[in-house]
Amino acid sequence: DTGVSQNPRHKITKRGQNVTFRCDPISEHNRLYWYRQTLGQGPEFLTYFQNEAQLEKSRLLSDRFSAERPKGSFSTLEIQRTEQGDSAMYLCASSFQTYEQYFGPGTRLTVT
Amino acid sequence: AQKITQTQPGMFVQEKEAVTLDCTYDTSDPSYGLFWYKQPSSGEMIFLIYQGSYDQQNATEGRYSLNFQKARKSANLVISASQLGDSAMYFCAMRHLYSGGGADGLTFGKGTHLIIQP
Repeated sequence: DTGVSQNPRHKITKRGQNVTFRCDPISEHNRLYWYRQTLGQGPEFLTYFQNEAQLEKSRLLSDRFSAERPKGSFSTLEIQRTEQGDSAMYLCASSFQTYEQYFGPGTRLTVT
Repeated sequence: AQKITQTQPGMFVQEKEAVTLDCTYDTSDPSYGLFWYKQPSSGEMIFLIYQGSYDQQNATEGRYSLNFQKARKSANLVISASQLGDSAMYFCAMRHLYSGGGADGLTFGKGTHLIIQP
């Protein structure tokens, strides 16, 4: 296993469209996290899963954001009715229990 | 609430010199972990080093060491013998260890842009 992978790496969409990003964690990791990073800032925590259970979602930015991890393996992050303010890098990380988190390369979203 | 402060937006350092990146944190929880990540221009966050709040000794990982001063709530990263490949953004982060829920997410500072000059 070579690490956390994310697809797509880049996404350009028009305002109002829905987008979905995928994250594949390191295989033995049971925890998966989503972060958003805007220009000049550190990553901002959005949500996380332990196995298939979503244990924190109050940090999701609005009800347009949702995440799933149906079988406790890969996860998807969906943004509905995208807005220009959603343009950012979306990062996924995984960990085994509460140990250090390993990040994927991110998906850069541009909303035009 | 947790807060991380990195007061150096950018630093220029000569190759082979040691460099210290500053990080101060604020939390009322006695159980927490402190992390440093490196983010090259490619965008991927690379884990460098970890320090637990109850660890008696400062953490070290190769050329990286963490100068942990608990009373001052500081967790500075020291890079010895800097190399050109060390040029990147560096982020300090923390999380609570036992609270669960949203506490499991990392809280990041704004980062320091380190440039190593030949």
